[in-house]
Amino acid sequence: QQQVKQSPQSLIVQKGGISIINCAYENTAFDYFPWYQQFPGKGPALLIAIRPDVSEKKEGRFTISFNKSAKQFSLHIMDSQPGDSATYFCAASKSGNTGKLIFGQGTTLQVKP
Amino acid sequence: DGGITQSPKYLFRKEGQNVTLSCEQNLNHDAMYWYRQDPGQGLRLIYYSQIVNDFQKGDIAEGYSVSREKKESFPLTVTSAQKNPTAFYLCASSMLFEEGYTFGSGTRLTVV
Repeated sequence: QQQVKQSPQSLIVQKGGISIINCAYENTAFDYFPWYQQFPGKGPALLIAIRPDVSEKKEGRFTISFNKSAKQFSLHIMDSQPGDSATYFCAASKSGNTGKLIFGQGTTLQVKP
Repeated sequence: DGGITQSPKYLFRKEGQNVTLSCEQNLNHDAMYWYRQDPGQGLRLIYYSQIVNDFQKGDIAEGYSVSREKKESFPLTVTSAQKNPTAFYLCASSMLFEEGYTFGSGTRLTVV
């Protein structure tokens, strides 16, 4: 079954702390793993993405860690800021599948000042 | 600027009425998608279309219908057969065989 499981459902972090959101997938054919950020009342926006040929990708304060053998990937937000408070979705897809993404359930992050 | 426009932002309808949500893109994307978002359930795929005049059911297509008469437009009709239509609806688009979606700002539908 093509499914992506995301945890935790909600997360509260102090300003300056590290936020960690985890995802697990089942389909070993998946080869594209993006993270989306969504602010209230807005559509999700692509934050960062990774392919299985690398174990880590970093863009500014955002890092994706990928563990192919465990079929898991995670988003780390370093030095979390109140402006990072949003809902985060992981997703997965496989090449040739017309880009159809399978999304996780979402994590609501609150960064306290 | 290129993007996806969803309208209206808020929509109220009486139970038993059909309602159509608009989605227009000027990104020249081939594929378009409709997702439904409910609290704690993530994004669930309703319908998607890869080319004009063709579309496929997603995971929760029952009670919904779509059309793709133009590349730029992919309207979603929520019919009276949809048992729980109140939700936030998101439209997205992408190039075929390229990853990454561009999302619209969503339409919040409330059925009373």
